[in-house]
Amino acid sequence: GNSVTQMEGPVTLSEEAFLTINCTYTATGYPSLFWYVQYPGEGLQLLLKATKADDKGSNKGFEATYRKETTSFHLEKGSVQVSDSAVYFCALSEDNNDMRFGAGTRLTVKP
Amino acid sequence: NAGVTQTPKFRVLKTGQSMTLLCAQDMNHEYMYWYRQDPGMGLRLIHYSVGEGTTAKGEVPDGYNVSRLKKQNFLLGLESAAPSQTSVYFCASSPYTSGSADTQYFGPGTRLTVL
Repeated sequence: GNSVTQMEGPVTLSEEAFLTINCTYTATGYPSLFWYVQYPGEGLQLLLKATKADDKGSNKGFEATYRKETTSFHLEKGSVQVSDSAVYFCALSEDNNDMRFGAGTRLTVKP
Repeated sequence: NAGVTQTPKFRVLKTGQSMTLLCAQDMNHEYMYWYRQDPGMGLRLIHYSVGEGTTAKGEVPDGYNVSRLKKQNFLLGLESAAPSQTSVYFCASSPYTSGSADTQYFGPGTRLTVL
């Protein structure tokens, strides 16, 4: 079945550091890929998505590229801020009925 | 426009008690979902609905029932709560998109503790 594996946390960075959170997937077909973010005490919200190979999703300085050859969708940001502290989830879905989430990576950014 | 709302925010039950969690969305979305979130396991789908009057099982449906009598509401029921159902429950909704997966919009969650 479809599944997502993302790097374990927690990740602690200093403000303005470069961020990478690795995500790889296993899928039988051609899924859409997502990054969701969860701030403390809140539900998940979409950060970015990509629907086909070589697509790049971007939002709020975060980027991720859909790499079919390496089955990856790594999240990157060039300069993190304290306000980026949250839990990040990689997810995939081939249709609206079966979204699969990774375990989540907790990011803490220190001033 | 409130998006997706969940009631209640917190609840403590004793083993064997029953309860219903309510989810409401005002975005006219066709699809609605119930997930549970446990430490180190991400979110797992309990049940989902593709439209008013329809429901289907997800990855971890045992011990739960759902109903979608109105398009905007999706109820999750626990008939006889067990400690293993201690978790944070999230409701989500998404529009219908033919042939692909669309973004899901999440509620703020319900933290349930079963003693």
